[in-house]
Amino acid sequence: DGGITQSPKYLFRKEGQNVTLSCEQNLNHDAMYWYRQDPGQGLRLIYYSQIVNDFQKGDIAEGYSVSREKKESFPLTVTSAQKNPTAFYLCASSKRGISTDTQYFGPGTRLTVL
Amino acid sequence: LAKTTQPISMDSYEGQEVNITCSHNNIATNDYITWYQQFPSQGPRFIIQGYKTKVTNEVASLFIPADRKSSTLSLPRVSLSDTAVYYCLVGDLTLGRLYFGRGTQLTVWP
Repeated sequence: DGGITQSPKYLFRKEGQNVTLSCEQNLNHDAMYWYRQDPGQGLRLIYYSQIVNDFQKGDIAEGYSVSREKKESFPLTVTSAQKNPTAFYLCASSKRGISTDTQYFGPGTRLTVL
Repeated sequence: LAKTTQPISMDSYEGQEVNITCSHNNIATNDYITWYQQFPSQGPRFIIQGYKTKVTNEVASLFIPADRKSSTLSLPRVSLSDTAVYYCLVGDLTLGRLYFGRGTQLTVWP
């Protein structure tokens, strides 16, 4: 089955620790995205990547970092600099990263920082 | 960045047609309008996309007036399984300009 996988589904971390969220896709898509969703809110773009070894900041990149060393993988690190990291994190991919693309979303990772 | 405004919630009954409107007054020339459906603790799922006029697929229709400052998602004959949050997304993927609104919680009653 083709799709996007995110792991783990739930993640707990202590305040001050960095944590890395995994996102893998086997759709052969060029573009990948990370979003953050807070309760009752829409999705906000953290980072996106349209090609391997290149990525761009979204609206709320502060306190986060990413890498895109392989086409199928786009891990997100939530650093200790992120002031309010508890949220639902969604990874998505699209075929070419152009305006008419459809984004396909993973199941999400719910991060709770204690 | 084109911000979007949607009603927070809507109620309907099974078999009725539901229309959800999204306002996006500052939409840019190259922006597309896309609607997604999201169930609790899941990722959003694509419903329909358009640029102008009317678009129809097997699950919904999208109406966009000439000025493109709003769009209306139309769901024909909703069922209980259509209970979800519906998001209007406006933006240009090429530029990473993507703005999801806060979504509309649609509740379908028997």
